[in-house]
Amino acid sequence: ETGVTQSPTHLIKTRGQQVTLRCSSQSGHNTVSWYQQALGQGPQFIFQYYREEENGRGNFPPRFSGLQFPNYSSELNVNALELDDSALYLCASSLESVPYGYTFGSGTRLTVV
Amino acid sequence: DQQVKQNSPSLSVQEGRISILNCDYTNSMFDYFLWYKKYPAEGPTFLISISSIKDKNEDGRFTVFLNKSAKHLSLHIVPSQPGDSAVYFCAGATNKLIFGTGTLLAVQP
Repeated sequence: ETGVTQSPTHLIKTRGQQVTLRCSSQSGHNTVSWYQQALGQGPQFIFQYYREEENGRGNFPPRFSGLQFPNYSSELNVNALELDDSALYLCASSLESVPYGYTFGSGTRLTVV
Repeated sequence: DQQVKQNSPSLSVQEGRISILNCDYTNSMFDYFLWYKKYPAEGPTFLISISSIKDKNEDGRFTVFLNKSAKHLSLHIVPSQPGDSAVYFCAGATNKLIFGTGTLLAVQP
């Protein structure tokens, strides 16, 4: 049973650029959630995808968008990067019938300069 | 609006003693509460959970207590081991997880 894998592990971008982060779900999981963890804070919910549809969204602007693919992998896209977008981005997969059984990836560390 | 609060940023405990990590919440709609452990450069790892209709759940060295009237939960680790040193997050769950800011636990040998 493979866990959740995220790529890349680290990334440096310039303010105003766009970025795509990727996540492969744990085998058998059909739901993916994305979280942003700023330094010294707990993870904050960005959005969740179930069966390729957005299934809940946190308090993040529309320049944060996502996709879920038929194989349940997922992407997080952020447009017009701002310095405050610098954070650890965590992907978590789960099975919709076991809603609190989240498995987290190790995250992508994004630095915006 | 911080719905889940962990007011102690850090805690230091001697090996073999009890570690008590605390968490307060304001949202009465949480169905479950979960504790996660996080090492540097790793994602959060699930530790233990408790349903909002229970007041205690135990799993080995880990016990979580829920006091709904006080909107407070705590995680007890007995006995504490050096390998328990990590950041601990509590989270309330509805259709998403809402995390506290974490407590850094250091278990001294």
